[in-house]
Formats: sequence, C-alpha cells, structure tokens
Amino acid sequence: EAQVTQNPRYLITVTGKKLTVTCSQNMNHEYMSWYRQDPGLGLRQIYYSMNVEVTDKGDVPEGYKVSRKEKRNFPLILESPSPNQTSLYFCASRPTGNSGANVLTFGAGSRLTVL
Amino acid sequence: QKEVEQNSGPLSVPEGAIASLNCTYSDRVSQSFFWYRQYSGKSPELIMSIYSNGDKEDGRFTAQLNKASQYVSLLIRDSQPSDSATYLCAVTSRGNMLTFGGGTRLMVKP
Repeated sequence: EAQVTQNPRYLITVTGKKLTVTCSQNMNHEYMSWYRQDPGLGLRQIYYSMNVEVTDKGDVPEGYKVSRKEKRNFPLILESPSPNQTSLYFCASRPTGNSGANVLTFGAGSRLTVL
Repeated sequence: QKEVEQNSGPLSVPEGAIASLNCTYSDRVSQSFFWYRQYSGKSPELIMSIYSNGDKEDGRFTAQLNKASQYVSLLIRDSQPSDSATYLCAVTSRGNMLTFGGGTRLMVKP
C-alpha cells in the first residue's frame, strides 16, 4: 500500500530534550515536506526537500532541522524543543513534475506536546 | 495579509442543503488550486483540484475558480452529516510551492 508513515504518532516530552520524528514514504516520491498545524492557522510548512540532499526552509523553520540522506526518509529534528512547538505535525510527499503535481500524500500525523 | 484566506466558520448547513465554501488568495500568478478535506484528528485528503477559470464538477462537489477576482470556491450539493469536516483551500505559489488557508469548519446537521 502506497503510504507515508510517521513515528511517533503521539509524544509528550519536556523542554530541551532532543527528539526526532521520522517520516518514510514508499512511493519513490522526490518531494517531501513537513507541516505543522495549529488551530485557526491551517497547515504551515516547516521544511521541504525536492530530492536527496536538497532541503529548503518553509514558512516556519525556526527551531527545526531536517535531513534527506535517502529518498524515502525525511526526519524532522527538534534539537531543543520548547512549548511553542506543541502542535500536530504532518509529513507529506508527492512526485515532482507536472503530472500529479502538488497532489500531496499525507502521513497520519504526529501530535507533539512539549511541557 | 495572509496569502490564502478562508473564513474559519463553523459553517452550519442542514442535511440536503448546498454548502458553499470560499477562499481568496493574494498571489496573482497562482496556477493551481486545491480543496482538501480533513476530519478531526486525521490527515488532509485531496477532494478537488482546479486549474482554469470556471466550474469543475465531481459528483456532489463543484469547484469554481475566478482568477480575475482571485477567488476559488467549493460547493457541496446534497450535504450529508459525513461531510462535516474542515475544508482546506490550497494554492500554488512561489515556484510551485503549496500554501494552505486556515480552513473552514463545516457542520452538516441531520
């Protein structure tokens, strides 16, 4: 089954404790992206990657890091989480090119709480 | 000004009625427009895409695009309680990147 898998789905942590949210897709998509969703603000892009070893900042990159060493994986790293990073996080992927462009496939979401 | 704006709602309609969801965008060169549906606690799923001015129909859903007015809408005919969800408008901008609106919460009452 074609899918985007995120882990963990739920996490409660404390301020300053480094954490990584993993994202993996099995569709051979070049493009992958991380979003956070907060009430009333819709989906805001954190980082995206057009392909392996190519990453770029989205609209709200502060406090986050990403890496793209393999095509299928795009982990989101919070080096020193703070309470304002409490949010619902979604990983998404799509192929590049005009065919099916921007038809994102989303993961199930990861709900993060930072105390 | 937000790049993509939606009324947050909730928009409440009775079962069987037409629900009309609206979205405006600020980037005049935007080319592609999408409607995603998101049930509470779930991930967004694409329900409609539209690329040219006019109407596009798919079952009970109709997307309408007016590039001159920078306006895109989604009509849901014969609304059902199962349509109750948040509807996210998304627009391509800045080199084919997708920007989402804040979403409109739709409630369909039996």
